[in-house]
Amino acid sequence: GEDVEQSLFLSVREGDSSVINCTYTDSSSTYLYWYKQEPGAGLQLLTYIFSNMDMKQDQRLTVLLNKKDKHLSLRIADTQTGDSAIYFCAEEGSSASKIIFGSGTRLSIRP
Amino acid sequence: DTEVTQTPKHLVMGMTNKKSLKCEQHMGHRAMYWYKQKAKKPPELMFVYSYEKLSINESVPSRFSPECPNSSLLNLHLHALQPEDSALYLCASGARNEQFFGPGTRLTVL
Repeated sequence: GEDVEQSLFLSVREGDSSVINCTYTDSSSTYLYWYKQEPGAGLQLLTYIFSNMDMKQDQRLTVLLNKKDKHLSLRIADTQTGDSAIYFCAEEGSSASKIIFGSGTRLSIRP
Repeated sequence: DTEVTQTPKHLVMGMTNKKSLKCEQHMGHRAMYWYKQKAKKPPELMFVYSYEKLSINESVPSRFSPECPNSSLLNLHLHALQPEDSALYLCASGARNEQFFGPGTRLTVL
Protein backbone atom coordinates (compact mmCIF):
# COMPACT_ATOMS: atom_id res chain seq x y z
CA GLY A 1 0.00 0.00 0.00
CA GLU A 2 0.88 3.64 -0.01
CA ASP A 3 1.84 5.24 3.27
CA VAL A 4 4.08 8.12 4.26
CA GLU A 5 5.23 8.63 7.84
CA GLN A 6 6.98 11.50 9.54
CA SER A 7 7.43 12.71 13.09
CA LEU A 8 4.92 15.28 14.26
CA PHE A 9 7.15 17.90 15.89
CA LEU A 10 10.65 19.34 15.62
CA SER A 11 12.09 22.23 17.60
CA VAL A 12 15.38 23.84 16.64
CA ARG A 13 17.33 26.91 17.67
CA GLU A 14 17.48 29.81 15.25
CA GLY A 15 20.59 29.53 13.11
CA ASP A 16 20.93 25.76 13.54
CA SER A 17 20.12 23.22 10.84
CA SER A 18 16.76 21.48 10.84
CA VAL A 19 16.44 17.92 9.59
CA ILE A 20 12.98 16.55 8.93
CA ASN A 21 12.73 12.85 8.22
CA CYS A 22 10.18 10.81 6.35
CA THR A 23 9.67 7.18 5.38
CA TYR A 24 7.50 5.97 2.55
CA THR A 25 6.31 2.58 1.41
CA ASP A 26 5.79 2.69 -2.35
CA SER A 27 9.14 1.91 -3.94
CA SER A 28 7.68 2.58 -7.39
CA SER A 29 7.13 6.29 -6.66
CA THR A 30 8.86 8.32 -9.32
CA TYR A 31 8.78 11.61 -7.44
CA LEU A 32 9.00 12.53 -3.79
CA TYR A 33 8.09 15.96 -2.52
CA TRP A 34 8.43 18.40 0.32
CA TYR A 35 5.66 20.92 0.86
CA LYS A 36 5.55 23.77 3.38
CA GLN A 37 2.35 25.08 4.94
CA GLU A 38 2.34 28.25 7.01
CA PRO A 39 -0.58 28.93 9.39
CA GLY A 40 -3.81 29.66 7.55
CA ALA A 41 -2.21 29.24 4.13
CA GLY A 42 -2.15 26.73 1.33
CA LEU A 43 0.70 24.35 0.58
CA GLN A 44 3.85 25.59 -1.08
CA LEU A 45 5.91 23.12 -3.09
CA LEU A 46 9.43 23.53 -1.70
CA THR A 47 11.25 20.95 -3.72
CA TYR A 48 10.96 17.51 -5.19
CA ILE A 49 13.41 14.77 -6.03
CA PHE A 50 13.31 12.23 -8.81
CA SER A 51 13.65 8.68 -7.55
CA ASN A 52 16.89 8.01 -9.42
CA MET A 53 18.65 10.79 -7.53
CA ASP A 54 20.06 10.54 -4.04
CA MET A 55 20.55 14.21 -3.31
CA LYS A 56 19.22 17.55 -4.42
CA GLN A 57 20.35 20.94 -3.15
CA ASP A 58 18.55 24.24 -3.57
CA GLN A 59 19.98 27.16 -1.62
CA ARG A 60 19.37 26.39 2.07
CA LEU A 61 17.47 23.19 1.32
CA THR A 62 19.07 19.77 0.89
CA VAL A 63 17.00 16.69 0.13
CA LEU A 64 18.52 13.27 0.70
CA LEU A 65 16.92 10.11 -0.64
CA ASN A 66 17.83 6.61 0.50
CA LYS A 67 15.83 4.47 -1.86
CA LYS A 68 16.95 1.20 -0.29
CA ASP A 69 15.55 2.22 3.09
CA LYS A 70 12.70 4.30 1.57
CA HIS A 71 13.86 7.25 3.63
CA LEU A 72 13.66 10.89 2.61
CA SER A 73 14.98 13.85 4.56
CA LEU A 74 14.87 17.62 4.25
CA ARG A 75 17.66 19.65 5.74
CA ILE A 76 17.17 23.39 6.20
CA ALA A 77 20.45 25.19 6.84
CA ASP A 78 20.61 28.31 9.04
CA THR A 79 17.00 27.94 10.18
CA GLN A 80 15.16 31.24 10.48
CA THR A 81 11.91 32.24 12.22
CA GLY A 82 10.26 32.41 8.80
CA ASP A 83 10.85 28.67 8.45
CA SER A 84 8.25 27.99 11.17
CA ALA A 85 5.58 25.93 9.45
CA ILE A 86 4.30 22.43 8.90
CA TYR A 87 6.37 20.43 6.44
CA PHE A 88 4.68 17.65 4.51
CA CYS A 89 6.58 14.83 2.90
CA ALA A 90 4.71 13.30 -0.02
CA GLU A 91 5.13 10.60 -2.62
CA GLU A 92 3.60 10.18 -6.02
CA GLY A 93 0.72 7.74 -5.71
CA SER A 94 -0.09 4.72 -7.84
CA SER A 95 -2.10 7.01 -10.07
CA ALA A 96 0.11 9.73 -11.50
CA SER A 97 -2.53 12.30 -10.56
CA LYS A 98 -2.39 11.43 -6.87
CA ILE A 99 0.00 12.59 -4.20
CA ILE A 100 0.14 10.75 -0.87
CA PHE A 101 0.94 13.09 2.00
CA GLY A 102 2.52 12.33 5.32
CA SER A 103 0.97 13.67 8.49
CA GLY A 104 3.23 16.72 8.51
CA THR A 105 6.04 17.83 10.84
CA ARG A 106 5.50 21.05 12.75
CA LEU A 107 8.81 22.92 12.86
CA SER A 108 9.16 25.49 15.62
CA ILE A 109 12.11 27.82 16.04
CA ARG A 110 13.38 28.91 19.42
CA PRO A 111 15.59 31.98 19.91
CA ASP B 1 0.83 34.34 -13.74
CA THR B 2 2.19 31.56 -11.56
CA GLU B 3 -0.42 31.25 -8.88
CA VAL B 4 -3.66 29.51 -8.10
CA THR B 5 -6.38 31.79 -6.73
CA GLN B 6 -9.38 30.77 -4.67
CA THR B 7 -12.50 32.62 -3.63
CA PRO B 8 -13.89 33.24 -1.16
CA LYS B 9 -11.16 33.17 1.46
CA HIS B 10 -13.67 32.43 4.22
CA LEU B 11 -17.21 31.08 4.02
CA VAL B 12 -19.78 30.48 6.74
CA MET B 13 -22.92 28.64 5.71
CA GLY B 14 -25.89 26.91 7.23
CA MET B 15 -26.78 23.31 6.56
CA THR B 16 -29.59 24.30 4.18
CA ASN B 17 -27.56 26.77 2.12
CA LYS B 18 -26.15 26.31 -1.36
CA LYS B 19 -22.80 27.91 -2.05
CA SER B 20 -19.88 27.52 -4.44
CA LEU B 21 -16.11 27.65 -4.07
CA LYS B 22 -14.11 28.92 -7.01
CA CYS B 23 -10.57 28.26 -8.18
CA GLU B 24 -8.64 29.74 -11.08
CA GLN B 25 -5.23 29.19 -12.65
CA HIS B 26 -3.57 30.62 -15.74
CA MET B 27 -0.49 28.42 -15.89
CA GLY B 28 -1.88 26.26 -18.68
CA HIS B 29 -2.10 23.23 -16.41
CA ARG B 30 -4.55 20.61 -17.61
CA ALA B 31 -5.04 18.92 -14.25
CA MET B 32 -6.92 20.54 -11.38
CA TYR B 33 -7.65 19.18 -7.94
CA TRP B 34 -9.86 19.68 -4.89
CA TYR B 35 -8.56 18.73 -1.47
CA LYS B 36 -10.11 18.90 1.98
CA GLN B 37 -7.87 19.60 4.96
CA LYS B 38 -8.98 19.29 8.57
CA ALA B 39 -6.98 20.98 11.32
CA LYS B 40 -3.59 19.41 12.01
CA LYS B 41 -4.10 16.83 9.25
CA PRO B 42 -2.66 16.45 5.76
CA PRO B 43 -4.79 17.34 2.74
CA GLU B 44 -7.16 14.61 1.54
CA LEU B 45 -7.81 14.36 -2.17
CA MET B 46 -11.45 14.79 -3.19
CA PHE B 47 -11.55 15.20 -6.97
CA VAL B 48 -9.19 15.38 -9.94
CA TYR B 49 -10.03 16.89 -13.31
CA SER B 50 -7.82 16.10 -16.24
CA TYR B 51 -8.41 17.96 -19.50
CA GLU B 52 -11.70 19.25 -18.05
CA LYS B 53 -13.00 15.76 -17.39
CA LEU B 54 -13.49 14.25 -13.94
CA SER B 55 -10.86 11.54 -13.64
CA ILE B 56 -10.82 10.79 -9.92
CA ASN B 57 -13.62 10.99 -7.35
CA GLU B 58 -12.42 9.74 -4.00
CA SER B 59 -15.87 8.53 -2.89
CA VAL B 60 -16.89 12.04 -1.90
CA PRO B 61 -20.52 12.50 -0.72
CA SER B 62 -22.86 13.92 -3.34
CA ARG B 63 -23.41 17.08 -1.31
CA PHE B 64 -20.08 18.13 -2.89
CA SER B 65 -20.39 18.63 -6.63
CA PRO B 66 -17.35 19.63 -8.69
CA GLU B 67 -17.48 21.42 -12.01
CA CYS B 68 -14.76 22.37 -14.49
CA PRO B 69 -16.24 24.96 -16.90
CA ASN B 70 -12.95 25.40 -18.75
CA SER B 71 -9.27 24.63 -18.43
CA SER B 72 -8.64 27.59 -16.11
CA LEU B 73 -11.59 27.30 -13.74
CA LEU B 74 -12.68 24.79 -11.17
CA ASN B 75 -15.75 25.09 -8.97
CA LEU B 76 -16.99 23.12 -6.00
CA HIS B 77 -20.74 23.38 -5.42
CA LEU B 78 -21.90 22.80 -1.87
CA HIS B 79 -25.39 21.81 -0.78
CA ALA B 80 -26.83 20.46 2.46
CA LEU B 81 -23.46 20.27 4.17
CA GLN B 82 -22.91 18.98 7.68
CA PRO B 83 -20.91 20.62 10.48
CA GLU B 84 -18.21 17.95 10.07
CA ASP B 85 -17.62 19.30 6.55
CA SER B 86 -16.05 22.40 8.11
CA ALA B 87 -12.44 22.45 6.89
CA LEU B 88 -9.94 24.22 4.67
CA TYR B 89 -10.71 23.43 1.02
CA LEU B 90 -7.66 23.60 -1.18
CA CYS B 91 -7.52 23.78 -4.93
CA ALA B 92 -4.41 22.78 -6.85
CA SER B 93 -3.34 22.66 -10.46
CA GLY B 94 -0.43 20.92 -11.99
CA ALA B 95 1.46 18.78 -14.36
CA ARG B 96 2.49 15.20 -13.70
CA ASN B 97 5.20 15.83 -11.17
CA GLU B 98 4.18 19.13 -9.59
CA GLN B 99 1.04 20.43 -7.96
CA PHE B 100 0.62 24.10 -7.11
CA PHE B 101 -1.84 24.93 -4.36
CA GLY B 102 -4.08 27.90 -3.83
CA PRO B 103 -4.43 29.57 -0.43
CA GLY B 104 -7.65 27.71 0.33
CA THR B 105 -11.17 28.57 1.41
CA ARG B 106 -11.85 28.14 5.11
CA LEU B 107 -15.38 26.78 5.33
CA THR B 108 -17.48 26.75 8.47
CA VAL B 109 -20.82 24.92 8.45
CA LEU B 110 -23.19 25.89 11.24
